[in-house]
Amino acid sequence: IVLTQSPASLAVSLGQRATISCRASQSVSTSSYSYMHWYQQKPGQPPKLLIKFASNLESGVPARFSGSGSGTDFTLNVHPVEEEDTATYYCQHSWEIPYTFGGGTKLEIK
Amino acid sequence: QVILKESGPGILQPSQTLSLTCSFSGFSLSTAGMGVSWIRQPSGKGLEWLAYIYWDDDKRYNPALKSRLTISKDTSSNQIFLKITSVDTEDTATYYCARNGDGFAYWGQGTLVTVSA
Repeated sequence: IVLTQSPASLAVSLGQRATISCRASQSVSTSSYSYMHWYQQKPGQPPKLLIKFASNLESGVPARFSGSGSGTDFTLNVHPVEEEDTATYYCQHSWEIPYTFGGGTKLEIK
Repeated sequence: QVILKESGPGILQPSQTLSLTCSFSGFSLSTAGMGVSWIRQPSGKGLEWLAYIYWDDDKRYNPALKSRLTISKDTSSNQIFLKITSVDTEDTATYYCARNGDGFAYWGQGTLVTVSA
């Protein structure tokens, strides 16, 4: 399954909304679950899980992060963005082997 | 508290075998449902899942590298191992281990492996 993220990079003003898209080459959803997860990675650090199963906020992650979508189209929203949200964001599916990641979206805060 | 830590050779030459170790604490691979994956990331590039192993010794590999990968575990010492045979420069990357679950919630800090002649 190929995951295509867009855009590859974006710059968002402080306090505004960042929207990142992830499109899968085939459905990764059942009627109950979507096997899509979102991560944030800062330089020199491992990825950090933000959203699991498309829309479930991981414990300890600020509520300004949200996820939505099903089937093949998924979205990560960050609103309102803060300086500390500068990072690269990845989607990842766990539908089948091999698990794959999207190519990443680099978020810059203006 | 779940902690994972990777270790490796740092640098090795093309055609050699890469041996990686993931030492973990805060959970046990003798517990039903527990599993650990290896994931790598070339510098400045994206993430690639390599393999996983579960508590019951279920092992799965990325088909793109399957013939070169071997994952194993030592439950008593809380360690996971990954071997990659016949490395070349394209295997230069930071290698992470991460605990399987609802997404990868726990990661090690990674170990940088450089393949160079």
